[in-house]
Parts: sequence; structure tokens; C-alpha cells
Amino acid sequence: NAGVTQTPKFQVLKTGQSMTLQCAQDMNHEYMSWYRQDPGMGLRLIHYSVGAGITDQGEVPNGYNVSRSTTEDFPLRLLSAAPSQTSVYFCASSYLLARDTQYFGPGTRLTVL
Amino acid sequence: QQQVKQSPQSLIVQKGGISIINCAYENTAFDYFPWYQQFPGKGPALLIAIRPDVSEKKEGRFTISFNKSAKQFSLHIMDSQPGDSATYFCAARGTSGSRLTFGEGTQLTVNP
Repeated sequence: NAGVTQTPKFQVLKTGQSMTLQCAQDMNHEYMSWYRQDPGMGLRLIHYSVGAGITDQGEVPNGYNVSRSTTEDFPLRLLSAAPSQTSVYFCASSYLLARDTQYFGPGTRLTVL
Repeated sequence: QQQVKQSPQSLIVQKGGISIINCAYENTAFDYFPWYQQFPGKGPALLIAIRPDVSEKKEGRFTISFNKSAKQFSLHIMDSQPGDSATYFCAARGTSGSRLTFGEGTQLTVNP
């Protein structure tokens, strides 16, 4: 199993550009989520999904869109990048039950100029 | 609103010493408290977790102490090693779903 994979590893955007961060998992997990990590602020939930076709907002959803057309994939779209979105983004997945371990991907480091 | 507060922000310990990281939470609906370990350039990985029906859980050199009445829990790393140098996150999850709320993180450095 590859676990949770994310692409790209690094990305530089100009303000106003759009892009999609890719996330895939091969563990047949129902629950997938996106976090951003900023110094001194921990990991903050952006969006999450409890299964194909179902998504919901997390703590900091503004400026981001998600969709979940398959169990395996959960892309994160930045509609119009802003410098405030400079961060490290992590995708995570788990079985649906609340006690299950969340498995994180290796992260995408995004810089918006 | 930060529902899980973590301290200290950074910690330097000598090899063989005890590392202690503390977390406090507000939401009494939280009933699962994991700790995640993150090495530079990697994603966080589950280290150890506890439920509030026990006051302590130990796995090797890592121990979680839980105080339900004070709404606090802590991670103790005994005989700290340079390989333990990483960022540690506490987290909490409620009964209604799978969402985790993370603390701010603690950067641990263990000097040889």
C-alpha cells in the first residue's frame, strides 16, 4: 500500500492564480480531510469528507473548494490564490469511526507570491 | 477559537532526560485524545492515544497522563533520545464524528 499520497510536493503561485492539490489513498478509507499547517497554529481543518459525494467545511474553508467523486481521491482547489494561503497542506484519511487513526500524507508546501 | 491549547511551544532536553508537553481542552464532549509526532518534511503520525476512562497510558518510553476534572492531558517522554527530536501535536476528537482538533504543536529538541 502506498498509503496517502500528495502531489505536488512544492508549488509556487502568483496571487490570483488557481491550482489543485491532489490527494489519493489506497486504504479504502471513507474519511478524508485537508489541513493546513502554519507556525504556532497547529493543524487547522479546511474541508473534510465522510464518503464519496459528501463534503463539509472545517475550521478555515474560505478560498478553498473540494469534491469527492471517488473513495480514493480528494482534491483541494485554490480558486484565486492569496499570500495568506502560503502554508504546508496535509491530506489525511481514516476509516469512518471516530476512534480510528488518521493517516497523513507527506504534505505540499505552497508559496503564494 | 483554539479549543486545545498546548505548551510549551518549544522544548530543549538533554539526552536521557524527561520531556513533558502539556495540553488543555475546553470541550467536555471530547472523548479521544491522540498525540501525533512529526519529523521535518514529513506528515504527522500517530504516536499514542488515550480515552478519558483511564488516567494513564504507557507505550515504551511514551506515557500519556490524563486529568479529566482539570481537562488536561500531557505527554511524557522518558529517557529522551536525539531521535525523539520532532514536533509533537496533541489533539482531541468528539463523540459526534471523526474531526480532530489539534493543539499548536511543540518543537522538541533532544541534545546529545
